[in-house]
Amino acid sequence: SQQGEEDPQALSIQEGENATMNCSYKTSINNLQWYRQNSGRGLVHLILIRSNEREKHSGRLRVTLDTSKKSSSLLITASRAADTASYFCATDGGSGSARQLTFGSGTQLTVLP
Amino acid sequence: EAGVTQSPTHLIKTRGQQATLRCSPISGHTSVYWYQQALGLGLQFLLWYDEGEERNRGNFPPRFSGRQFPNYSSELNVNALELEDSALYLCASSLFEYEQYFGPGTRLTVT
Repeated sequence: SQQGEEDPQALSIQEGENATMNCSYKTSINNLQWYRQNSGRGLVHLILIRSNEREKHSGRLRVTLDTSKKSSSLLITASRAADTASYFCATDGGSGSARQLTFGSGTQLTVLP
Repeated sequence: EAGVTQSPTHLIKTRGQQATLRCSPISGHTSVYWYQQALGLGLQFLLWYDEGEERNRGNFPPRFSGRQFPNYSSELNVNALELEDSALYLCASSLFEYEQYFGPGTRLTVT
């Protein structure tokens, strides 16, 4: 079952604009990861944020985590056409399933040149 | 540093046959994970291997099985293939509980 739900399901923006994607989850987590997938290929790891962190940056990426609301957001600044892809959040959690990632349904981002 | 590799890239089988998919983790990573990405079902966890042992299993029937070899590479076997097994199978590796890094996937088509 999908624990995470991304919002929006699809997002279309112009090159240079910022893109924000949100993810909600249901159970407690150890960490949350964001991945990118281009056209049905493998997943590219973007960033991991731990449950005791509130914000993390990596290049043009900014991730926030609000464990009280069980939500996370991914901000891509100054978007490029090459950022066009599907973006997924993935959570783990619980001592027995700590390594098992549960993925959201993804946001399809289209960046128009 | 080489990433996670998977073979073959594409695999076409007929219903009832067996499929074997292979994965080599990033050097130094001891954990290997398998996920299935089927159309309309999203990414679902299949299996987790660590130090040669199966550590966790997703909600899949027993005809999905695998193993991890002493060099930490892994094999996923799917027996008695069904049409709905058609999917992209992704392998990931990690060191302890840290980030999981994915390979390019094997696209399995069952006809």
